[in-house]
Amino acid sequence: SQQGEEDPQALSIQEGENATMNCSYKTSINNLQWYRQNSGRGLVHLILIRSNEREKHSGRLRVTLDTSKKSSSLLITASRAADTASYFCATEVPTSGGAQKLVFGQGTRLTINP
Amino acid sequence: NAGVTQTPKFRVLKTGQSMTLLCAQDMNHEYMYWYRQDPGMGLRLIHYSVGEGTTAKGEVPDGYNVSRLKKQNFLLGLESAAPSQTSVYFCASSFPLTYEQYFGPGTRLTVT
Repeated sequence: SQQGEEDPQALSIQEGENATMNCSYKTSINNLQWYRQNSGRGLVHLILIRSNEREKHSGRLRVTLDTSKKSSSLLITASRAADTASYFCATEVPTSGGAQKLVFGQGTRLTINP
Repeated sequence: NAGVTQTPKFRVLKTGQSMTLLCAQDMNHEYMYWYRQDPGMGLRLIHYSVGEGTTAKGEVPDGYNVSRLKKQNFLLGLESAAPSQTSVYFCASSFPLTYEQYFGPGTRLTVT
């Protein structure tokens, strides 16, 4: 079963606008990560927010985490054509073997129109 | 550094054939992972490894086997391919406790 669910599934905006994507999850987490995937490529890590953090910034990215609502949002400000990609949230759950397992959502497909 | 590399990039198999996907990383990562990505499903963990000689099952392990004989390599095997295994397969690696995973470019597998 999917731990994280992104909303919306697809988002199309004009260049320069802000893009907001949301992620909801079901169980308690250690941290939550956001990844970007360009078409035909592997995923690239964007940002990690720990369960005791509420907000984190990295360049044009702003991530919030509300553990009481089990939700996170990713805001991309001043969007550019190069931001066109799919964005995935991933929640970290512990495993019996010690490795931290990431459970990915279905992703939001973001299109930036020039 | 090449990062995480995967071979082959594309492969077409007939039902019942076998194959091995190779993942290699040059970052000295302890942890390695195999995922599959299907349309509308996100990524699902198949198997993972926390170190050389160790492997463990993930979310969807049936029909796959893995081996980690060397720290830098993680092999994913399909003994008898089925059409349901048509997917894009991604390998990833990470250090312990840093959690950020580094992904390879993927292998697109079609089983007819």
